[in-house]
Amino acid sequence: QVQLQQSGPGLVKPSQTVSLTCAISGDSVSSETAAWHWIRQSPSRGLEWLGRTYFRRLWFDDYAVSLKGRISINADTAKNQFSLLLNSVTPDDTGVYYCARGSEFGVLIDAWGQGTPVTVSS
Amino acid sequence: DIQMTQSPSTLSASVGDRVTITCRASQSISGRLAWYQQKPGKAPKILISQASSLESGVPPRFSGSRSGTEFTLTISSLQPDDFATYYCQQYKSYWTFGQGTKVEIK
Repeated sequence: QVQLQQSGPGLVKPSQTVSLTCAISGDSVSSETAAWHWIRQSPSRGLEWLGRTYFRRLWFDDYAVSLKGRISINADTAKNQFSLLLNSVTPDDTGVYYCARGSEFGVLIDAWGQGTPVTVSS
Repeated sequence: DIQMTQSPSTLSASVGDRVTITCRASQSISGRLAWYQQKPGKAPKILISQASSLESGVPPRFSGSRSGTEFTLTISSLQPDDFATYYCQQYKSYWTFGQGTKVEIK
C-alpha cells in the first residue's frame, strides 16, 4: 500500500519560493505506470491541480497553465521522492499543498499525502 | 479547460437518508470521473473511479452513475461517518475538481 509523507516549511515570505518534498513508500517514483502530482486547496480556489512528473523511459512533466514559469516538479530516484518548487509566491499562493499518486498510467489520483499548510506572509 | 459544476454546495440530511450529489462536466469526459470524500484536516479519499467503480474498501452504500456529461454520487443510507465534504474530479483532460458538497447533520 503506497504511503506519501510530505515535508517542508509552512511559512514563506512573498516573492520567495515554496519548497516541499514528498517521500514515497510502497511504490517507486520511477514506476512506468504511475505519475506523481501536486495539488493545492484554498477557500478561494478550491482543489487545484498544479502539475505532475512521471517516468516513461525518460522523465516528463506537465504543469497547470496558470503556473507555468513559476513551478518545477522534480524526482529524486535515489531517495524515492519528488519535490515541488513554486517561486515568486504571493499571498494568493496560500493554501494546503498535497502530493499524490496517479495510478492507471498516471491518470487516476488514488493516494494522497497528509497535506502541508503553507502561508505566504511577511 | 474542462469545468466541473457540482451541486448542491451544502446538503442537510439525517442518518438513514438517501443522499444524491450531482456533477456536470462542461464537455464530454467519457467516464473519466472520480468521487472523493474529505473530512476536516484530512486529505481527500477516493470513493469511486470511472464514474461507477467502487474503490476497494469503500462501503457499498456508495454508488456512482453517469448520464452523458452528468454524474451522480448516491449514498443509499447515510451513516454518521459519512458527514463530510464530497468532490467530483474529471481526469479526461488534465484534472479539475468540482467545488464540493458539504453533507451536514440536519
